[in-house]
Amino acid sequence: QVQFVQSGAEVRKPGASVKVSCKASGYIFSRHALHWVRQAPGQGLEWMGWINVDSGNTKYSQKLQGRVTFTRDKSASTAYMEMSSLRSEDTAVYFCARVGGVGELMDWGQGTLVTVSS
Amino acid sequence: QSVLTQPPSVSGAPGQRVTISCTGSSSNIGADYDVHWYQQLPGTAPKLLIYGHTNRPSGVPDRFSGSKSGTSASLAITGLQAEDEADYYCQSYDSSVSGWVFGGGTKLTVL
Repeated sequence: QVQFVQSGAEVRKPGASVKVSCKASGYIFSRHALHWVRQAPGQGLEWMGWINVDSGNTKYSQKLQGRVTFTRDKSASTAYMEMSSLRSEDTAVYFCARVGGVGELMDWGQGTLVTVSS
Repeated sequence: QSVLTQPPSVSGAPGQRVTISCTGSSSNIGADYDVHWYQQLPGTAPKLLIYGHTNRPSGVPDRFSGSKSGTSASLAITGLQAEDEADYYCQSYDSSVSGWVFGGGTKLTVL
């Protein structure tokens, strides 16, 4: 079955960077784009952007453009989300999710908590 | 402020029917972009509940149904059960921001 395993929780100081991984299994990795979504504590879901796993092309939300980078390693069936210049407002659980045929996020990783604190 | 507007909370007794609305605009739902719904149980990742306005993934009970009209969509849950207590989110695409957008989420309480 389709599964995503994300890397463990991270703690960073303001201004630092963080890189979260998302390892996929159970399907052909390059056939589905991957989206990233985050959720601040007690808040709703925020779409961050997506990566075309086959080509490597990316699209970022206007809010995060310039601070976030999505990459992938097709040989390892793993996608990465890197965020720089971290602020306290970036404290959130970060999810990867596979997109389906009509834009639905059909399978999700378990989430990675990133805490930004001095 | 979310691009898609949902009520913060709804509630119902076991066995009852509840609906959750998702109000958008001409740049998202009204532009006929697909609407999807997710259920998020406490401390877990969201789970796809409805896709393409009305379709249920395999394994989702037919107690859950979706609809769309104009610039709004709705999720209906019939025969409420205690296990339905969760947060529910609608999602679509918005051409004005050129990206995916979520509603603010609705907390369902089963009384």
